[in-house]
Amino acid sequence: SAVISQKPSRDICQRGTSLTIQCQVDSQVTMMFWYRQQPGQSLTLIATANQGSEATYESGFVIDKFPISRPNLTFSTLTVSNMSPEDSSIYLCSVGGSNYGYTFGSGTRLTVV
Amino acid sequence: ELKVEQNPLFLSMQEGKNYTIYCNYSTTSDRLYWYRQDPGKSLESLFVLLSNGAVKQEGRLMASLDTKARLSTLHITAAVHDLSATYFCAVSQRSYQKVTFGTGTKLQVIP
Repeated sequence: SAVISQKPSRDICQRGTSLTIQCQVDSQVTMMFWYRQQPGQSLTLIATANQGSEATYESGFVIDKFPISRPNLTFSTLTVSNMSPEDSSIYLCSVGGSNYGYTFGSGTRLTVV
Repeated sequence: ELKVEQNPLFLSMQEGKNYTIYCNYSTTSDRLYWYRQDPGKSLESLFVLLSNGAVKQEGRLMASLDTKARLSTLHITAAVHDLSATYFCAVSQRSYQKVTFGTGTKLQVIP
């Protein structure tokens, strides 16, 4: 299965600022997924990122708040913009397919103060 | 909209005991995944179930899938403390790549 390097592992940010999270995969993948996990909760899909096209956002998530880039088949970034304390969560990227399961990055623990 | 529910949400059990975690989902799917998450860590894949009647076992954990009942179970045999973690089931629909996660079951195994 693919190996994902996710950075940063954690950050503490001031409200109103932005943070960009990076995921690098050791093999080419068609789709990358970005999730949010709020404290003590399950995972919620933010968006699906395909190389060469706009990301597809889930209900409740918008591009202005969570812009995503997917410049090639091994790399993606998620930016959390104009942060507020409610954005404090763990953010995870994932790759894989329905036939063989999904691998997750190590996660980015974001605290907004 | 696909909904995935797990029960129980919390489970405290003694070492050596057996127990089952249940995962119900609301729409037709034949792809179900189980993950483990330790505190402060990412998700570790445990099982990938791809067809009705699929059963997989790894150590003290066994997972099964009944697509007609829209139910998966994760059975724990003779629990040990090292199994303490949060367990998630997740479901995808064949036509879609995205995955919907269950609510999670926090398991605590008491010596």
